[in-house]
Amino acid sequence: SQELEQSPQSLIVQEGKNLTINCTSSKTLYGLYWYKQKYGEGLIFLMMLQKGGEEKSHEKITAKLDEKKQQSSLHITASQPSHAGIYLCGADSSSSGAGSYQLTFGKGTKLSVIP
Amino acid sequence: SQTIHQWPATLVQPVGSPLSLECTVEGTSNPNLYWYRQAAGRGLQLLFYSVGIGQISSEVPQNLSASRPQDRQFILSSKKLLLSDSGFYLCAWSVRGLWQPQHFGDGTRLSIL
Repeated sequence: SQELEQSPQSLIVQEGKNLTINCTSSKTLYGLYWYKQKYGEGLIFLMMLQKGGEEKSHEKITAKLDEKKQQSSLHITASQPSHAGIYLCGADSSSSGAGSYQLTFGKGTKLSVIP
Repeated sequence: SQTIHQWPATLVQPVGSPLSLECTVEGTSNPNLYWYRQAAGRGLQLLFYSVGIGQISSEVPQNLSASRPQDRQFILSSKKLLLSDSGFYLCAWSVRGLWQPQHFGDGTRLSIL
C-alpha cells in the first residue's frame, strides 16, 4: 500500500519567513491533495495537483508536484500567524493512475508562526 | 454554496455502549460521502465511503458500520464501543466522480471511558 511521508514533522518560523514542507510517496503519485487543519477542526482543502511539474498557487501558498521524485512540496512565502496549523498531504491510492475514491494521507506537518 | 454538518462535536461514551454519528451535506446532489478517523500518531484513516444511497464500501475491518439512508446523509454507527474506537471522526463529501477534492466537516471528538 502507498505511504506518504511528510517532512519536517514540525516547524517553527518567525513571521515573515519563507518555508517549505515536503510530501514523499512510496509509489508513483498520480494525484496529490494539500489540506490545512487547525487543531480539533476539520481539514480545509488548499489545492490539488495531478500532472508532473504542475504548480499551483493560492495567495502566498504554492504547491508543486514532482512525479519523478514521487514528491510534492508546499511553499509558503512571507509566513503569517494565520498560516499556523497542520498541513496534510493526501494522495490517490490507485496503483494505475485511473483514480480512486480512496486517499492515503501523510501524518501532517505542524507549523507554528511566531509574531 | 455547499456546507457539511457533523454532530455532535464532542462525545464521551462508556465502553460497550452504542454509537451514532450523523453527517449531512447541503447545497449539492449525489455527492460521494466519506468517514475518516484521525487517531493520535496514526494519521487520517479512511473508514467508509459511499457513492450512492445504500452503497457503502468499507476500508478497514472494525467495530463500526456506516449507512446512507438519504442522498445527503451519512451515519456512522457501532453496537458496542471499544476503547480503541476513541479518536477524531471526520465526515467528508466530494462531487461524484474521480479526481475530485474532498471537503471535510468539523469533526466529532469521541472519547471512550
